[in-house]
Amino acid sequence: ETGVTQSPTHLIKTRGQQVTLRCSSQSGHNTVSWYQQALGQGPQFIFQYYREEENGRGNFPPRFSGLQFPNYSSELNVNALELDDSALYLCASSYPGTPLQTQYFGPGTRLLVL
Amino acid sequence: KNEVEQSPQNLTAQEGEFITINCSYSVGISALHWLQQHPGGGIVSLFMLSSGKKKHGRLIATINIQEKHSSLHITASHPRDSAVYICAVNPIIQGAQKLVFGQGTRLTINP
Repeated sequence: ETGVTQSPTHLIKTRGQQVTLRCSSQSGHNTVSWYQQALGQGPQFIFQYYREEENGRGNFPPRFSGLQFPNYSSELNVNALELDDSALYLCASSYPGTPLQTQYFGPGTRLLVL
Repeated sequence: KNEVEQSPQNLTAQEGEFITINCSYSVGISALHWLQQHPGGGIVSLFMLSSGKKKHGRLIATINIQEKHSSLHITASHPRDSAVYICAVNPIIQGAQKLVFGQGTRLTINP
């Protein structure tokens, strides 16, 4: 049990639609990272938020956007869904302050785009 | 070429066998992580290493910074160890403390 929750657990959307995925971190964990994991692959870094500001971004287009809120929850928004967006989306929270951070992962949201 | 490579991609063994999973990386890192992912998708952190060796129960993780290589060992393997094991690194970059992941090793332990 990592103390990080995600909702929904599963989601089916059609191409062109928009989706919002949610993550709730442990209290005090003011850094949250989002990852996309395609089937059979390792997770890929989408972006990270620190104190409600984007703090780094991976190789994902602008239609992937995020928000972080003061209550340690965050959102991943994906516009104009494409078939290749079908994946497991993971959030991970951490408490910065040391160079070596343990990230606590949520259970993931499995998104299927038809 | 991926920055983090794991081998083997798939591993099947009998209960009780000694298991080794390897990870090589090509970038400077501040830390290396070994993670376990079960079929439901949830990821659990097993180890975070910056040097040397760590042991937790039947699991041992080692890292050689000069050779950019790490190994995860499981002694007296058990069917409940069946999972995907993922190696991930924190690259030395300014800004985001992101993780770069290997593709994972799917381990199956048969009774």
